[in-house]
Amino acid sequence: DQQVKQNSPSLSVQEGRISILNCDYTNSMFDYFLWYKKYPAEGPTFLISISSIKDKNEDGRFTVFLNKSAKHLSLHIVPSQPGDSAVYFCAASASFGNEKLTFGTGTRLTIIP
Amino acid sequence: NAGVMQNPRHLVRRRGQEARLRCSPMKGHSHVYWYRQLPEEGLKFMVYLQKENIIDESGMPKERFSAEFPKEGPSILRIQQVVRGDSAAYFCASSPLPGQGPEQYFGPGTRLTVT
Repeated sequence: DQQVKQNSPSLSVQEGRISILNCDYTNSMFDYFLWYKKYPAEGPTFLISISSIKDKNEDGRFTVFLNKSAKHLSLHIVPSQPGDSAVYFCAASASFGNEKLTFGTGTRLTIIP
Repeated sequence: NAGVMQNPRHLVRRRGQEARLRCSPMKGHSHVYWYRQLPEEGLKFMVYLQKENIIDESGMPKERFSAEFPKEGPSILRIQQVVRGDSAAYFCASSPLPGQGPEQYFGPGTRLTVT
C-alpha cells in the first residue's frame, strides 16, 4: 500500500529552466510534507517542507505547492542548475507526536548543461 | 561536524551472522529513527526511539531485528542471523523534541551486504 507516490521515476531538464517534481498521497491524515534530495552513497538531505495549513512555501530557488483537495504536492526548482541532479524524495508525516516519515519512491532529476 | 553519524559505512556479513549498525544523533537531538532502503525503492520506516525508550517499532520485522538507544552511547540496530534479503542501505535520522517540526536529519547510511 503505497501511501505516497511519485509517478515519474526520472526527469530531464535543461539547465536554467524550471524543474517540476510531483507527488501524490492517499492518506488524509498526513498534515506535513517534506522534500529531500539524495546523492548516490549519501543520506537524504532535507530541502523544504510545508504544513497542510499552507498552500505554498518558498526558499530561494525551491518552492513547494500543496493542493489538499487533490492530495497533490509539487516541488519547483528555478532556475535548475547542474548540481541539482539527484534523486528527490517526497515524504509525509501525520503528527500525532510520532513523526515518522512515509516516503515516495523518488524521482531522478538530471539537469542537462 | 555536528551531523548525524553512522558506522560502519559498509558492512559485509555472511548468512547467519549478526550485524550491528550504530547511529549517533545530531548534538541536541534526542529522537532517533531508523529507515531501510531496498534497491530502487524509497525509504521505509523501521523504528522510532528516544533515550531508553522504543516509541514506535511498527516498521520492524517481527523476528531477528531489534533496536536500542541507551542512556549513554549511540543507538544500535541489531540484525541477528542475517539473510540475503537484509541487504540494503540502513539510514538513521534524528530530530529535536516533538512539536518542533517533523524535519529529520539523516546520516550517510550503512550499506549492508549479505553474502
